Amino acid sequence: NAGVTQTPKFQVLKTGQSMTLQCAQDMNHEYMSWYRQDPGMGLRLIHYSVGAGITDQGEVPNGYNVSRSTTEDFPLRLLSAAPSQTSVYFCASSYRGAARGGLTPLHFGNGTRLTVT
Amino acid sequence: GQSLEQPSEVTAVEGAIVQINCTYQTSGFYGLSWYQQHDGGAPTFLSYNGLDGLEETGRFSSFLSRSDSYGYLLLQELQMKDSASYFCAVRDRKGSGNTGKLIFGQGTTLQVKP
Repeated sequence: NAGVTQTPKFQVLKTGQSMTLQCAQDMNHEYMSWYRQDPGMGLRLIHYSVGAGITDQGEVPNGYNVSRSTTEDFPLRLLSAAPSQTSVYFCASSYRGAARGGLTPLHFGNGTRLTVT
Repeated sequence: GQSLEQPSEVTAVEGAIVQINCTYQTSGFYGLSWYQQHDGGAPTFLSYNGLDGLEETGRFSSFLSRSDSYGYLLLQELQMKDSASYFCAVRDRKGSGNTGKLIFGQGTTLQVKP
């Protein structure tokens, strides 16, 4: 069971380039989300999805697009990379649970470390 | 909106007990979670409190007081491997139902010294 798999692990982009960060999970989780982590800023939610075909914005969505065509995959697209998007990106998934007030545990991938020059 | 506050750093010695506090402001409360993250690694789930009181999982315990909008993570018998960042998190109120969206605090870096 691989859990949540993110690729690539490292990426360097030039300003203005576009790219897609891949995320796949094999746990049949309904919910998937993307976070970015910057020093001293904790984890900030970029976009999330509650199921195939349904996505919504998080706290910091500008400059990013997502789509969810299957339950397993949730790619994050950077449209035109900027130095401010230099960060570590984490994808996470969780299952729908009626208990715990909706706070079922998030399972995180190992992250993609992105540098934009 | 939601906001969470936690201390930025805590230092303790091996074998000791340490408490990491978290205060939150939310428009609706759906429980407080804690995550651990080692340097260079991914966050991993530690515990959850939906009701007031103490939840214990081995050496780790988490406490919640909803009336005070306050919780803490208690780590006992500290080990060097407990050196990590610890994040509290609440569910985002926007929308209805369980969306899986969590809002995280900025994290507390715990340094365990020999």
